[in-house]
Amino acid sequence: ELKVEQNPLFLSMQEGKNYTIYCNYSTTSDRLYWYRQDPGKSLESLFVLLSNGAVKQEGRLMASLDTKARLSTLHITAAVHDLSATYFCAVDSGGSNYKLTFGKGTLLTVNP
Amino acid sequence: GAVVSQHPSWVICKSGTSVKIECRSLDFQATTMFWYRQFPKQSLMLMATSNEGSKATYEQGVEKDKFLINHASLTLSTLTVTSAHPEDSSFYICSALASGRAHEQFFGPGTRLTVL
Repeated sequence: ELKVEQNPLFLSMQEGKNYTIYCNYSTTSDRLYWYRQDPGKSLESLFVLLSNGAVKQEGRLMASLDTKARLSTLHITAAVHDLSATYFCAVDSGGSNYKLTFGKGTLLTVNP
Repeated sequence: GAVVSQHPSWVICKSGTSVKIECRSLDFQATTMFWYRQFPKQSLMLMATSNEGSKATYEQGVEKDKFLINHASLTLSTLTVTSAHPEDSSFYICSALASGRAHEQFFGPGTRLTVL
């Protein structure tokens, strides 16, 4: 059974600071996704990581994937209040069924 | 592109009634759609995989007779919650795999179900 662990689950940070969210998973997979969820809303796709060493950046967010370590990181640079949301990583179980297993999510609060 | 819609966006019903939720891919064909449920302050849990023209595959612990899934066309999957009870109150989210872009799921906006 694929397990996905995110940490931290709660993150309170000041504007302008940097921080990293970690996503570990238990079985071999080279398809990992990061999503953002605002309160009462559905998921917004942030990054799709499909190979070992993949690195993608969008604005103040950068995601990377190390399939050998079964680890992905979501790095936040110079946080701003608008980044406050819950962030989920999800791992594809592999093969052709494309089922996703989600981490528990990280609730990020950026304080002025 | 790759827009997924859900209808209704919210519904309130009485205990014992059935509720149907629609998930549509608006600008692409989706041979596979997924249904998730999310309780407050929790993560998404996969309920079932819906394949066009075949029976849905349910995850362990999900009652297939309670959560009826029909994927009648390449752009529409429906989830019917039968004989709903208050414990079925949740946020239901569907996603769709785009043919030719099979590595990415596109998520609908969700349906909030409240059973009184």
